[in-house]
Amino acid sequence: EPEVTQTPSHQVTQMGQEVILRCVPISNHLYFYWYRQILGQKVEFLVSFYNNEISEKSEIFDDQFSVERPDGSNFTLKIRSTKLEDSAMYFCASRSGGSAANEQFFGPGTRLTVL
Amino acid sequence: AQSVTQLGSHVSVSEGALVLLRCNYSSSVPPYLFWYVQYPNQGLQLLLKYTSAATLVKGINGFEAEFKKSETSFHLTKPSAHMSDAAEYFCAVSDSSGGYNKLIFGAGTRLAVHP
Repeated sequence: EPEVTQTPSHQVTQMGQEVILRCVPISNHLYFYWYRQILGQKVEFLVSFYNNEISEKSEIFDDQFSVERPDGSNFTLKIRSTKLEDSAMYFCASRSGGSAANEQFFGPGTRLTVL
Repeated sequence: AQSVTQLGSHVSVSEGALVLLRCNYSSSVPPYLFWYVQYPNQGLQLLLKYTSAATLVKGINGFEAEFKKSETSFHLTKPSAHMSDAAEYFCAVSDSSGGYNKLIFGAGTRLAVHP
């Protein structure tokens, strides 16, 4: 069964460093998303990506964040200069085209710890 | 704006007892609603979804949910809890306002099942 994969599963970094979180969505999906979950809080939308460009982003997704799909399979989230408050679980998700009722498939997440 | 409220951050039931996890939504348009489950150290897995086809929706692992427009609710139930049901459960509404159907999540309910 196709699944969304994410690497690494855990990432520890120093404040101010750049991190890149990687995701491989399901191959025939067209819509891609990043969400995050700070420990003890709800899952929050960060950004959606369609047709090789950002389609929607939240207030959280400021200039320190960027996404790209460099090779048609990987989907990456970059945080340019990490802050302590970026520590969270980051989930990638993908969805097929067609009906908006189609579910989003989630990866297992990357736990980011900023020291 | 659409939103989701899950009543009860923690629910504890005995094995074999009824499971009831509550979800209320706010939406200005007919919503698409989802229940996801998260087992420890795993991603979010879809349990079931409401897409206006039927108000009583059956999902995986014996779970079902009933959409009640008059109560703006989409509560999740299972007649008989199993130890393997222990997990965190998230209710979500698909926000179509931006056109790309990001998910708006509730805060989650952690279900504990004891012998």
